[in-house]
Amino acid sequence: EAQVTQNPRYLITVTGKKLTVTCSQNMNHEYMSWYRQDPGLGLRQIYYSMNVEVTDKGDVPEGYKVSRKEKRNFPLILESPSPNQTSLYFCASSARKLTGVNTEAFFGQGTRLTVV
Amino acid sequence: KNEVEQSPQNLTAQEGEFITINCSYSVGISALHWLQQHPGGGIVSLFMLSSGKKKHGRLIATINIQEKHSSLHITASHPRDSAVYICAGGYQGAQKLVFGQGTRLTINP
Repeated sequence: EAQVTQNPRYLITVTGKKLTVTCSQNMNHEYMSWYRQDPGLGLRQIYYSMNVEVTDKGDVPEGYKVSRKEKRNFPLILESPSPNQTSLYFCASSARKLTGVNTEAFFGQGTRLTVV
Repeated sequence: KNEVEQSPQNLTAQEGEFITINCSYSVGISALHWLQQHPGGGIVSLFMLSSGKKKHGRLIATINIQEKHSSLHITASHPRDSAVYICAGGYQGAQKLVFGQGTRLTINP
């Protein structure tokens, strides 16, 4: 089954304790992104990757890091989480650019992160 | 002005009604995605449009490039259609989506 898998689904952590949210896709997609969803602000892009070892900042990259060492994995790293990073996070992948003909975006199930 | 604007923000209807959700978007957006987010939080892609019209089951999506407007229609609505529907625009040459605020749809039996 084609899917994007995020782990963990829920996480409560304390300020400053480094954490990683994993994202893995089994569709051999080149393009992957991380988004955060906040009430009243909607979904916003944090980082994206167009291929292995190619990553770039989205709209809200501060406080986050990513890596793309393998095509299937795109982990999101919070080196020193703060309460303003409490949010619902989504990983997404696509076979082509999101403006490509008939390109579908596949989303993970989301990770609800609370930083206290 | 937001790059992608949806209306209405909330919509409640009775089972069987025809539903329309609207999305207006900014210059430069060349592709429009419609997404569905269920109460559990997961997001599913429904359609991706750059022109014309697409249909899948009871769902129909249209786009008018000149007017920079897209609509999502649901025919014979059912309580299981209750969800948040989100339109998202993709800019030519950019690898990101900009999202509307979402429309919370509730279908009552």
